[in-house]
This record gives sequence, structure tokens and C-alpha cells, in this order.
Amino acid sequence: DSGVTQTPKHLITATGQRVTLRCSPRSGDLSVYWYQQSLDQGLQFLIQYYNGEERAKGNILERFSAQQFPDLHSELNLSSLELGDSALYFCASSVTSGRANTGELFFGEGSRLTVL
Amino acid sequence: GDSVTQMEGPVTLSEEAFLTINCTYTATGYPSLFWYVQYPGEGLQLLLKATKADDKGSNKGFEATYRKETTSFHLEKGSVQVSDSAVYFCALLSSASKIIFGSGTRLSIRP
Repeated sequence: DSGVTQTPKHLITATGQRVTLRCSPRSGDLSVYWYQQSLDQGLQFLIQYYNGEERAKGNILERFSAQQFPDLHSELNLSSLELGDSALYFCASSVTSGRANTGELFFGEGSRLTVL
Repeated sequence: GDSVTQMEGPVTLSEEAFLTINCTYTATGYPSLFWYVQYPGEGLQLLLKATKADDKGSNKGFEATYRKETTSFHLEKGSVQVSDSAVYFCALLSSASKIIFGSGTRLSIRP
């Protein structure tokens, strides 16, 4: 058990809909990352938050948005869903040395999104 | 920009075979290097790391040595088990504090 909790584990929805994925980081971790993993197993970095503020942005579509709340949990919002958005979405939290990343990430089990 | 290149999979081996999964990197400065493993149905977990040249990371019988001269961090294990079947990701922490993953290598071990 990594200590990172993601909900829901599975989600099936239709094109054009909107969903919210939730992540609770490990106790004490201030950084939260979101990744998308497609069927061909590649990991795409979406976005990172540190202590409530956006820290880094990757290949995140404009239809997607995220935030980190004062209690450090994070939500990833996916809207106007398309078939190609079907994927595993992982949240990770990290050990940081002050504000610096250490590269040591703890991943949740993922939320599997299926868009029909 | 910084990047990580891994050997393409899938890699299929028999139990007790020797394993090497190649990883090379491109980066400015001296990044920290990592191997993560993803078992079926699970999230990634850190397997081992090395933070400077010539460091050897090791865990669960796996080893990888940080080779600055060849910009490589190959993963090795002397005798694989069926339970090692998973996807393995090489990663680096760049000087700009970004974590960059390779594309992953799927490993299947036959009993």
C-alpha cells in the first residue's frame, strides 16, 4: 500500500460528459502529480501541484483541469470527454526536500476511465 | 531537452534467466536516475535509484549502475522469477527538477 488513495477505481461514461477524479496523497506529502497511461503503457505527465499551487504543466489538454485543496487532496476534472480519453489516470505524491523534487514518487492504484 | 530511452518490449524470458533492460538518458548536468516497476493492476512503485555517477542502486535482486561515460542505467537481475513479470520504467530527475519517464518495457517470465 503506497498510502496514496484514488477514487473512483473504475468509471464508465459517455462522450461529451464530464468526470472528476480524486486523489488523497500520502500523509505529509505536499506534491501531487497526475499522469495518464494509455493502452500502449506510455505514461504522460499532466500536471503537478505543490502545497496548493500549480508547479509544472505537461501535456494536459485544455478540456482538463486540476486543483489541489488546502487539505492537500487533489482533483482532476475531465470535460467534453472523447473516446481517446479512455485511459488509466494515476495520481502520485512525492517526497520533497524543501520545495525541490527528489524523484521518489508514490503512486495510487489509478482510476480507469472508459468513454463509450 | 532531457529524455530517457528504454529498450522496446516485450521481453520474454524463462525462469532463472539473466535479465538486462537497457536504459540511456540525455540530460544536462548529473540527473538522479530511477527504475520503477508496475505489477499487473497496480500503480508504479520505486524499485531502485542512484543519485551520482558510479552509484549502484539495488533492491529485490535487481541492480543498476549509474554510468556517466555511457549515459546509461541498465537494469539487471541474475535469476528472474515468474513474480518479476511487470512493466519496468526508467526515469530521471532533471536539473530543472522535472521527473521524466521512459516508455516502459514489459517483461514476461515463463515458468
